[in-house]
This record gives sequence, structure tokens and C-alpha cells, in this order.
Amino acid sequence: QITLKESGPTLVRPTQTLTLTCTFSGFSVNSRGESVGWIRQPPGEALEWLSLIFWDGVEQYSPSLKNRLTITKDISKNQVVLTMTNMDPVDTATYYCVHRLNYYDGTVYHRAFDFWGQGALVTVSS
Amino acid sequence: DIQLTQSPSLLSASVGDRVTITCRTSRGISNYLAWYQQKPGKAPELLIYGASTLQGGVPSRFSGSGSGTQFSLTISSLQPEDFATYFCQQYSNYVVTFGGGTKVEIK
Repeated sequence: QITLKESGPTLVRPTQTLTLTCTFSGFSVNSRGESVGWIRQPPGEALEWLSLIFWDGVEQYSPSLKNRLTITKDISKNQVVLTMTNMDPVDTATYYCVHRLNYYDGTVYHRAFDFWGQGALVTVSS
Repeated sequence: DIQLTQSPSLLSASVGDRVTITCRTSRGISNYLAWYQQKPGKAPELLIYGASTLQGGVPSRFSGSGSGTQFSLTISSLQPEDFATYFCQQYSNYVVTFGGGTKVEIK
């Protein structure tokens, strides 16, 4: 069974850098086809994809946040870390760590997010 | 980015009702669409991927259909545990995007 759990600060000051850690089990991010990502959700709002890191080290970022995001993985610790620089109150949100499905139905690959962490609420305030 | 528009944004229904939520995309995405259910204070859960394939463990009262730019999620007989918010998501592009959500509330 795959599980993921986010950890990090609950309060961040404006202009500071946020570092969130996702600790997971049930799979290896080093296995072919695996990937782990981050999605956030401001209070009462919709979901926004942020970043994804693949088994082979390839990184993907939301174009609108690319300049502020870095995603890394630590295979030995089963962790993926997201850093977001220059935090602003509009970045207040619940941040979710997610495992991406990689299912081939014989024709195409399906890559929805099949497992989610419980979420970490991060408030940006002075 | 591909924009997803869900309707309605709020749906009032009773236990036993058949309900349908629609998701329209700004350009064609074949069947690269997923649906999620989110309850208050919880993470979203994957219900359907590939527009119509039920994720393991999801009750058969949930079904999805559509292709291209028009998709729908149907709950054949609403149960008390189904009152939640539902999101659609496209993954045809590496920049995945989500719909604004549909809250299903008790009538």
C-alpha cells in the first residue's frame, strides 16, 4: 500500500523560502515509471499542480511558478522535497504530496494522481 | 494551459437521486481526464481516470463518460457518503489542470 505524508512549517513569513518534505512508502521513486509531485489548494479554492519529479530525475514545474520552485528526491530516505522561494500571502494553501499513476491500458498511459498525502496547511503571514 | 469548466458549481440533491456533473475543456484532450472526490478537511481521492475507468474500490454507482472536450461524472443513486466536492482534471498536457469543483450538498 502506498502512503505519503507531508511535513514542514505551518507558518512562513513573507519573502521567506518554504521547504516541504514528502516521506513515502510502498514504492521506490527510483523505479522505472514512478513519479511524485506536489499540488496545492488555497482555502476554499480549486487545486493547482506545482511540480513533478520522475524516476529518472527529470523535473517538471508549473510555468507560472517555475522560477520559484525546486523539487528534489532522496532515494535513500524515500523522500521528495519541494522548495518555494519568496513566499507571499497568496501562497497560503494546503500543500499535497501525490503519487502519479502510470497505467498503460494497451493504447495509452494514464497518469492521474492515485495516492495523496493528508496535506500540510501553510500560512504565509507576517 | 488547458482550462476546465465544471458545471454546476453547486448541486443540491437528495439521497437516492441520480446526479450528473459536467466538465468542459478548452481544447480536446481525448480521454485523458480524471475525477476526484474531496470531503471537508481531507485530501482528494481518485474516482475515475481515462474518462470512464473506475479506480479500484470505487463503488459502481459512479460512472464517467466523454471524450474530446465534453465529459461527465454520474452518480446513479446518491448515498449519504457522496456529499462532497468533485473535481475534474486533465492530464493530456504535462501542465495538468483542474476544474473549479462541484459541491454536492444535501437538499
